[in-house]
Amino acid sequence: GAGVSQTPSNKVTEKGKYVELRCDPISGHTALYWYRQSLGQGPEFLIYFQGTGAADDSGLPNDRFFAVRPEGSVSTLKIQRTERGDSAVYLCASARDGGETQYFGPGTRLLVL
Amino acid sequence: AQSVTQLDSQVPVFEEAPVELRCNYSSSVSVYLFWYVQYPNQGLQLLLKYLSGSTLVKGINGFEAEFNKSQTSFHLRKPSVHISDTAEYFCAVRDEYNFNKFYFGSGTKLNVKP
Repeated sequence: GAGVSQTPSNKVTEKGKYVELRCDPISGHTALYWYRQSLGQGPEFLIYFQGTGAADDSGLPNDRFFAVRPEGSVSTLKIQRTERGDSAVYLCASARDGGETQYFGPGTRLLVL
Repeated sequence: AQSVTQLDSQVPVFEEAPVELRCNYSSSVSVYLFWYVQYPNQGLQLLLKYLSGSTLVKGINGFEAEFNKSQTSFHLRKPSVHISDTAEYFCAVRDEYNFNKFYFGSGTKLNVKP
């Protein structure tokens, strides 16, 4: 079946702009994760959803970052007033309820000029 | 917070040679450990995982890893690598208190040469 998909694959924006990154998880997966991967680093946890609610948002770096999952499927990561330091690959992963195996999407490469 | 250390950022190796990618973690209690592989322009894919039981875990593509509690290590090995194994490999640990949180190492780039 279809895997995790993320759009756009690449996003170039200017400092101070607002961006939205979308994640479409595997059908039936109730758990959804967002990670940020900076150059030369491993994925860094941002937020975890169980169903529609953000069960753990302790990894969001500041209040410019926000994520939603209104119907328990597709999720959107929103970044306000983007800064050059936000440039990274943003990864989404989904998992079955209670499952420890995450399935990752290909990521969105964000470049803030 | 827990942490994962991958000491080698790059490992060059010739085709058909054995390889070991090192991973050390910090944890005081039981751990769940994972190895993921990331091929160019693709998402991370699970290679293998250790949850409990036998300390030697076998994964896909001929890879295996050994959990060593006394050395807090989970090294990845393959007896004979192929060109197609060229990729970046990430070790990860599940948070011991918050099961929904995972910590990843900084990755090891395996470059298999002909």
